Amino acid sequence: DSGVTQTPKHLITATGQRVTLRCSPRSGDLSVYWYQQSLDQGLQFLIQYYNGEERAKGNILERFSAQQFPDLHSELNLSSLELGDSALYFCASSDGANTGELFFGEGSRLTVL
Amino acid sequence: GENVEQHPSTLSVQEGDSAVIKCTYSDSASNYFPWYKQELGKRPQLIIDIRSNVGEKKDQRIAVTLNKTAKHFSLHITETQPEDSAVYFCAASTDSGYALNFGKGTSLLVTP
Repeated sequence: DSGVTQTPKHLITATGQRVTLRCSPRSGDLSVYWYQQSLDQGLQFLIQYYNGEERAKGNILERFSAQQFPDLHSELNLSSLELGDSALYFCASSDGANTGELFFGEGSRLTVL
Repeated sequence: GENVEQHPSTLSVQEGDSAVIKCTYSDSASNYFPWYKQELGKRPQLIIDIRSNVGEKKDQRIAVTLNKTAKHFSLHITETQPEDSAVYFCAASTDSGYALNFGKGTSLLVTP
């Protein structure tokens, strides 16, 4: 158990819909990262938050947005869903200091039909 | 941004043999290079990492080497065992605590 909690574990929805994925980082971790994993693209970095502020942005689509709340949990919002958005979405956390290790949650598997 | 290339995409070895996975990176400012292992249906987990002030690091059967001049780093697994079968990802970042850019992964199969 990494200490990172993601909900829901599985989600099936239709094209055009909007979903929200939730992540609770490890106790004490200030950084939250979102990654998308699809079969042919490995782990694609989407966005990073540190103590409530956006720190880095990767290949995140404009239809996607995220935020980190004062209690440090984070949400990833995916809207106008397309078939190609079907993937495993991982949240990871770190203390944001020099240890470097990212602790991943179990992921949220999104299926868009 | 940083671009990490990883080879090979699949690797099959016999139990007891060695396995080597290679990665290259593009951003000369990168100085933190971790390797993650992802077993089937599981989350990625850190197995070893190296920083730019070190050329090699070992942890039992696993070692990582770094060549900053050539901008490449490699994972070496000796005396492979069936439980080493997994997908391995290399990554790079400009500093620990910042987002990791991952390679596309290497699926390693160790056959008894």
